[in-house]
Amino acid sequence: EAGVAQSPRYKIIEKRQSVAFWCNPISGHATLYWYQQILGQGPKLLIQFQNNGVVDDSQLPKDRFSAERLKGVDSTLKIQPAKLEDSAVYLCASSLDRELAGGETQYFGPGTRLLVL
Amino acid sequence: AQSVTQPDIHITVSEGASLELRCNYSYGATPYLFWYVQSPGQGLQLLLKYFSGDTLVQGIKGFEAEFKRSQSSFNLRKPSVHWSDAAEYFCAVGRNRDDKIIFGKGTRLHILP
Repeated sequence: EAGVAQSPRYKIIEKRQSVAFWCNPISGHATLYWYQQILGQGPKLLIQFQNNGVVDDSQLPKDRFSAERLKGVDSTLKIQPAKLEDSAVYLCASSLDRELAGGETQYFGPGTRLLVL
Repeated sequence: AQSVTQPDIHITVSEGASLELRCNYSYGATPYLFWYVQSPGQGLQLLLKYFSGDTLVQGIKGFEAEFKRSQSSFNLRKPSVHWSDAAEYFCAVGRNRDDKIIFGKGTRLHILP
């Protein structure tokens, strides 16, 4: 079974520019997550989707970050405008369905490493 | 709110030696507990998880973890490490099946030949 796909793998931009990341979850997974992992820290949840609805976006900086999951499959995370402190690895994860036994296990993609200059 | 602490930022062990990585959580009830491993340039991979039942949990790659409610701990162990185990290890906690999980800051494991 194919894993979680993310692109691009690396991105370098200047501050105040915009950037977008793409994620394709494992087929059939209802739940999709975006995490931000700053160097030296654990991943921090930015937003969680259940199908195409937002379950939790309490830690998403909504003044500059946005995310969507149209049709309940792929997802895009956008930063506009980027700040220096946004330099991090952005991880996408998916899970089958948190209501099911074992369905809460999250499977992670390789991440997109963003550097803001 | 729940939280998780990994007291050791770096751990170095010799190949073939035993390993224990510490994890302490803060939550009033029985939490959902996870250990993930992150190899360089890779995404996180689930090693094992605990929700209920037997407090000693077996995972992949020869890892196990023990849930100790009295100590609010969920330490990860392996009897004999291999050079390929060098990676960063994250403990994570959730309040229930539907809740988001909170990750610790990680412990980087170094293996001496």
